[in-house]
Amino acid sequence: GQNIDQPTEMTATEGAIVQINCTYQTSGFNGLFWYQQHAGEAPTFLSYNVLDGLEEKGRFSSFLSRSKGYSYLLLKELQMKDSASYLCAVRNTGGFKTIFGAGTRLFVKA
Amino acid sequence: GAGVSQSPSNKVTEKGKDVELRCDPISGHTALYWYRQSLGQGLEFLIYFQGNSAPDKSGLPSDRFSAERTGGSVSTLTIQRTQQEDSAVYLCASNSQGSTGELFFGEGSRLTVL
Repeated sequence: GQNIDQPTEMTATEGAIVQINCTYQTSGFNGLFWYQQHAGEAPTFLSYNVLDGLEEKGRFSSFLSRSKGYSYLLLKELQMKDSASYLCAVRNTGGFKTIFGAGTRLFVKA
Repeated sequence: GAGVSQSPSNKVTEKGKDVELRCDPISGHTALYWYRQSLGQGLEFLIYFQGNSAPDKSGLPSDRFSAERTGGSVSTLTIQRTQQEDSAVYLCASNSQGSTGELFFGEGSRLTVL
């Protein structure tokens, strides 16, 4: 079976750094994704990890440890517009089925 | 098309009626996915297509739900005898084989069953 866990909500201050964790259990792993979803909008792609390590893309970085079934999304220099839900998703081997976690709602306060 | 297109954007129906939701993926994308998102919740996997075939239908909640894809393009999700618990946003996404697997989402179809 598959299970993806991430915190329900987080609050951080504008200009700060926040780390959103994701743990997963899957029968076959073929990549981990992070998506951003603003209220009332469709999810948009942020990052992709398939090998262990850190992927950096501007203010956003994503880390993966396959042996631990663990990933995190790091957001630096937080802005008010970063207030959104952040969805962790895992893709299976073979058929490319992609399963999402419940999402972490991030509130950025001034 | 330039992006994933879904219709209708909003649908209000009465309990017991059938509804059809349509998804037009990005041109050339071979894989197409349907998800359901209830208010304040994450994305629940329903079904995905590779070409016209559906290797995994395990997420369909009941036999009232069905989906098809024709010509390797447009897909229709049909819900028969709708129930109030079917109320949600139905999201469609597509991607191309050989890519990193990034999903491109449509804006969704919001279904309300009265």
